[in-house]
Amino acid sequence: AQSVTQPDIHITVSEGASLELRCNYSYGATPYLFWYVQSPGQGLQLLLKYFSGDTLVQGIKGFEAEFKRSQSSFNLRKPSVHWSDAAEYFCAVGGSGGYNKLIFGAGTRLAVHP
Amino acid sequence: DAGVIQSPRHEVTEMGQEVTLRCKPISGHNSLFWYRQTMMRGLELLIYFNNNVPIDDSGMPEDRFSAKMPNASFSTLKIQPSEPRDSAVYFCASTTTHQETQYFGPGTRLLVL
Repeated sequence: AQSVTQPDIHITVSEGASLELRCNYSYGATPYLFWYVQSPGQGLQLLLKYFSGDTLVQGIKGFEAEFKRSQSSFNLRKPSVHWSDAAEYFCAVGGSGGYNKLIFGAGTRLAVHP
Repeated sequence: DAGVIQSPRHEVTEMGQEVTLRCKPISGHNSLFWYRQTMMRGLELLIYFNNNVPIDDSGMPEDRFSAKMPNASFSTLKIQPSEPRDSAVYFCASTTTHQETQYFGPGTRLLVL
């Protein structure tokens, strides 16, 4: 069965520090992979996505993610975190069920210290 | 572009009452999804419509939940009767059939007392 694991429930970083949020997936074929961000009281906003091609994808707000098939991972990175990046981040895998049904991870809540 | 519109944004009701959540997808999108987000279960897909037809309702928790899409620009999710365990944030998302990215609305925060 398809699944997504985000091992870190909470992460706290200092402003200006680098960030890496982990995501591992289980999927039978080449997946479609997504990172969404949810600010408090808001809906989900797409940060970036991977379908095929270059395994390093760039997204909005200075985020990037790298698809590593051998590790079944799609980790999200940012070289320098801003206080406004504090939010919850969701990794998702799609492409199953004959349509793009998204399976979400449990989310990682990011706190940023000044 | 107005984005996905959901109403109401907040709903407080008493157990046993009927609750109706509404969604207007992005114009031109023909696929619509209803999700539920809770602390315990995270984000779960409830139902998926394509061209106004329900394609996958395997995530609908029980008969108390029903969803309709009478036309391409409107969908409802109804809970009757509501129970405290239905308290959650309900999201609607839309996309086109051959586009993989789903666009989410701001959600409806439901509290059933």
